[in-house]
Amino acid sequence: DAGVIQSPRHEVTEMGQEVTLRCKPISGHNSLFWYRQTMMRGLELLIYFNNNVPIDDSGMPEDRFSAKMPNASFSTLKIQPSEPRDSAVYFCASTDSSYNSPLHFGNGTRLTVT
Amino acid sequence: DQQVKQNSPSLSVQEGRISILNCDYTNSMFDYFLWYKKYPAEGPTFLISISSIKDKNEDGRFTVFLNKSAKHLSLHIVPSQPGDSAVYFCAAKSKGGSNYKLTFGKGTLLTVNP
Repeated sequence: DAGVIQSPRHEVTEMGQEVTLRCKPISGHNSLFWYRQTMMRGLELLIYFNNNVPIDDSGMPEDRFSAKMPNASFSTLKIQPSEPRDSAVYFCASTDSSYNSPLHFGNGTRLTVT
Repeated sequence: DQQVKQNSPSLSVQEGRISILNCDYTNSMFDYFLWYKKYPAEGPTFLISISSIKDKNEDGRFTVFLNKSAKHLSLHIVPSQPGDSAVYFCAAKSKGGSNYKLTFGKGTLLTVNP
């Protein structure tokens, strides 16, 4: 079991640049989540996909944020243009559709926008 | 409005002693609770869970207690080991509405001293 794989592990970029974060969920999992962790707000859900379809994107902070899941094994979170306040750790997580199944998290992408 | 609260940002215990991490919640609709453990530069990993129909769940050195009337749960680690040093997150969800959405507390940093 390879676990949830995220790339890159670290991203440093300048304000205004486009940033793309990538995630490969665990094979067989049909639910995928993007979370953001900051000191102030803790872990926040940004968007939730079920069977590759976005179900809830109410946590996406602004139109600058977008997420896609073109197939069951890949998802991206894009920020365009990036701003310093986007600096955070972004986690991807996956699970199956059972209510009691826990989320399995990737190791995150630490984003720094200067 | 923080629906899941971990009021102790940090806790320090001696190796071999009991660690007790606390969590309070305000949403009476929550019916499933989870604890996650997080090491630096890694994603949260699932530790133990409990359904609201139970008041205790045990897995090796880890036991979670749920007091529904007080809207309080706790994680007991006995005996504590230095490798248990990590941030512990409490999380909760409910079947109604967004039944996929986990609400996290802000975490408690546990340090187990040798």
